[in-house]
Amino acid sequence: QKEVEQNSGPLSVPEGAIASLNCTYSDRVSQSFFWYRQYSGKSPELIMSIYSNGDKEDGRFTAQLNKASQYVSLLIRDSQPSDSATYLCAVTGDNYGQNFVFGPGTRLSVLP
Amino acid sequence: DAGITQSPRHKVTETGTPVTLRCHQTENHRYMYWYRQDPGHGLRLIHYSYGVKDTDKGEVSDGYSVSRSKTEDFLLTLESATSSQTSVYFCAIKELVAHQQFFGPGTRLTVL
Repeated sequence: QKEVEQNSGPLSVPEGAIASLNCTYSDRVSQSFFWYRQYSGKSPELIMSIYSNGDKEDGRFTAQLNKASQYVSLLIRDSQPSDSATYLCAVTGDNYGQNFVFGPGTRLSVLP
Repeated sequence: DAGITQSPRHKVTETGTPVTLRCHQTENHRYMYWYRQDPGHGLRLIHYSYGVKDTDKGEVSDGYSVSRSKTEDFLLTLESATSSQTSVYFCAIKELVAHQQFFGPGTRLTVL
């Protein structure tokens, strides 16, 4: 059973701080990793994709992947109240067929 | 915007009635997915399709059937709805190059 775990929330950070969201996965040969943001009552929105070890930056978002530790994280710099949402980690790869496994999500609250 | 629409967006029905949810995409994607999202369970795959008339089961397929007679439409049918199928249903497509999934707006289904 392929599993994706995320740090339990809710996570609260003050405005302007760095929010750190973590995700671990069980299948060592996983290849593609994604972070989605989901506002309450809305559908998941893809915000970051990462495929190789290291850091990938996009604006205020940085995804970090460490395949040896089976760990992927999302850093949000200069957090804003508009970043308050649930963040979902998703994983796929050759062992998944054509499917994805999603983590349970971490709810982030950015306090003004 | 991956050009995905879902209909209806909201539906209330009674136990034992058949229900069909429609997912429509405009960009000729081969892979389409149906998920349900429930508190405490995250996103769970119901069925997916890898082409016209080609479908397969996900982890929570019992009580659901699907059909894909055209590339652009993927239908999810609850033959006899039960209260346990009250949920939010999301359709998704997968882009083959980057293996990214994009979601439709969702359908909120309530079975009384």
